[in-house]
Amino acid sequence: KQEVTQIPAALSVPEGENLVLNCSFTDSAIYNLQWFRQDPGKGLTSLLLIQSSQREQTSGRLNASLDKSSGRSTLYIAASQPGDSATYLCAFMDSNYQLIWGAGTKLIIKP
Amino acid sequence: NAGVMQNPRHLVRRRGQEARLRCSPMKGHSHVYWYRQLPEEGLKFMVYLQKENIIDESGMPKERFSAEFPKEGPSILRIQQVVRGDSAAYFCASSPGGVYTDTQYFGPGTRLTVL
Repeated sequence: KQEVTQIPAALSVPEGENLVLNCSFTDSAIYNLQWFRQDPGKGLTSLLLIQSSQREQTSGRLNASLDKSSGRSTLYIAASQPGDSATYLCAFMDSNYQLIWGAGTKLIIKP
Repeated sequence: NAGVMQNPRHLVRRRGQEARLRCSPMKGHSHVYWYRQLPEEGLKFMVYLQKENIIDESGMPKERFSAEFPKEGPSILRIQQVVRGDSAAYFCASSPGGVYTDTQYFGPGTRLTVL
């Protein structure tokens, strides 16, 4: 059974810190991996999409890496801000084109 | 270009009633996906549709649940004879095409509460 694990489940850090969110998956035969953020009362926002042939993607203060051999992806957030507070979800697309989701990391950035 | 729209945002039903959830994809998108998020759990895929076709419904419960994406109008997720365990957030996403290369854009979700 394919599983996605996100660690930690919750994280609270002071504003300005750099931080890393982790995502591990059991199926190395993935097409891509995505990171999303979920804000209360709002829809999901796609942050970064990494194709299986890629190692990392960057967007602004965000950097996501993918290591298929070890079944890991990390989301690096530089110089965190209170507006970054949200739940961050990772999901990979498997060989059946389905997205398999982690349960998320709830991030709180303290001013 | 408006994003993915879902309505209603909140829906309350009593056990045994029917629930209809609507999803309007982004303009130009012909692929729609439905996901369910149970409390304290991650999202789970339910069904993938293109216009007038169900491509993959492997995540959909075999009974009481159905989905459609007609040629005209929004995609509908229908839950018949709801039970308390159906209480969840239901998210719809759309993409322009090319399933595994395109980012999926998500709507705000419909929160279903079954009393």
